[in-house]
Amino acid sequence: VQLLESGPGLVKPSETLSLTCTVSGGSIRTYYWSWIRQPPGKGLEWIGDIYYTGSTNYNPSLMSRVTISLATSKNQLSLNLSSVTAADTAVYYCARDPNYGGTHAFDLWGQGTVVTVSS
Amino acid sequence: DIQMTQSPSSLSASVGDRVTITCQASQDISNYLNWYQHKPGKAPQLLIYDASNLEAGVPSRFSGSGSGTDFTFTISSLQTEDIATYYCQQYDILPYSFGQGTKLEIK
Repeated sequence: VQLLESGPGLVKPSETLSLTCTVSGGSIRTYYWSWIRQPPGKGLEWIGDIYYTGSTNYNPSLMSRVTISLATSKNQLSLNLSSVTAADTAVYYCARDPNYGGTHAFDLWGQGTVVTVSS
Repeated sequence: DIQMTQSPSSLSASVGDRVTITCQASQDISNYLNWYQHKPGKAPQLLIYDASNLEAGVPSRFSGSGSGTDFTFTISSLQTEDIATYYCQQYDILPYSFGQGTKLEIK
């Protein structure tokens, strides 16, 4: 199973950042799927996740601006982050959380995609 | 939110050394703690889950321990390929949160 993030590398301030994660070699119709980001020189920040049923959880720090969705027919998950600022500049990762035995651990990650917010 | 504090933030050690990283949670998280290795330009890799369980395929020189608020990650004999940044992550309470990372370098 492989995850591949895609989307524009440059987004203007106040616009919406839109990313897609394509899952290959396995079905997206199982497990939890998360978006995680890493701003330059900083640590990892969990953005939110979606269960294969469509149920979502978001980080309260971003909740008012974030939408995570699934496109099961395409085996993809998406991230939309509205009203972006320079603080949203980061490497964005999608990751799989199998939730085996109730454990929430990210056992598979994409390579990440760099998004820069700048005019 | 639960704050995760790792120490040290950076560490320099020699090949063959025993390396220890600590992670402290701002409240009791039982054993709901994972450890990841992150090399530049690569996807992070899960090493330890539930504080002490080794993920399949991960070398046995990596180990974890602890519960409650205090956790330890150990590399028993440092290898050159272990150069990376290591993160702890709690999943007891949403939002999931990570430590700030420990950057490991070869002396």
